[in-house]
Amino acid sequence: KNEVEQSPQNLTAQEGEFITINCSYSVGISALHWLQQHPGGGIVSLFMLSSGKKKHGRLIATINIQEKHSSLHITASHPRDSAVYICAVRPSGSRLTFGEGTQLTVNP
Amino acid sequence: NAGVTQTPKFQVLKTGQSMTLQCAQDMNHEYMSWYRQDPGMGLRLIHYSVGAGITDQGEVPNGYNVSRSTTEDFPLRLLSAAPSQTSVYFCASSPTLAGEKLFFGSGTQLSVL
Repeated sequence: KNEVEQSPQNLTAQEGEFITINCSYSVGISALHWLQQHPGGGIVSLFMLSSGKKKHGRLIATINIQEKHSSLHITASHPRDSAVYICAVRPSGSRLTFGEGTQLTVNP
Repeated sequence: NAGVTQTPKFQVLKTGQSMTLQCAQDMNHEYMSWYRQDPGMGLRLIHYSVGAGITDQGEVPNGYNVSRSTTEDFPLRLLSAAPSQTSVYFCASSPTLAGEKLFFGSGTQLSVL
């Protein structure tokens, strides 16, 4: 079993829908990252969380340390949000471990 | 700002050939790392460095060498390419090992025939 599990693996939405991507992990962590991988392959860092919630534009990331769970929400989704979203955790004193990613497709 | 510059974007090798993937950053970051990305798997750490002259192995180091002679550059060497090394490779940097934000290169698609 992977240390980091993302769900769903694939998600198709209509423009304007509210989207949630989930990340569960099995070890104690010092931080959790959300990344976005564009269709062309480039990877961009979206958030780093150690507690609570962060917001940037239409993106909101939350983390529940006790439940070992994080969610990435996208409000008012747009076709340009189509990408692979990757969760990565940093176990305490160790290096990043990455999930397999969630492929999001937003149709116009 | 250039950020993280990774070259080449594409490369085809024959089994047994050697090559070097180049990675340079202009942000004075201490931490640099190399990952490989394979279908159905998350990014896996090959090697990393926490500063000039300091390197260490990651999760999948076999068949790869690195060096960090300067803060800016962190090349990845494939000594004798094998088909199992066919993958997409990413270089990344951050200000520190536990940095808040990772900066990635644009990736190298490598095929070993």
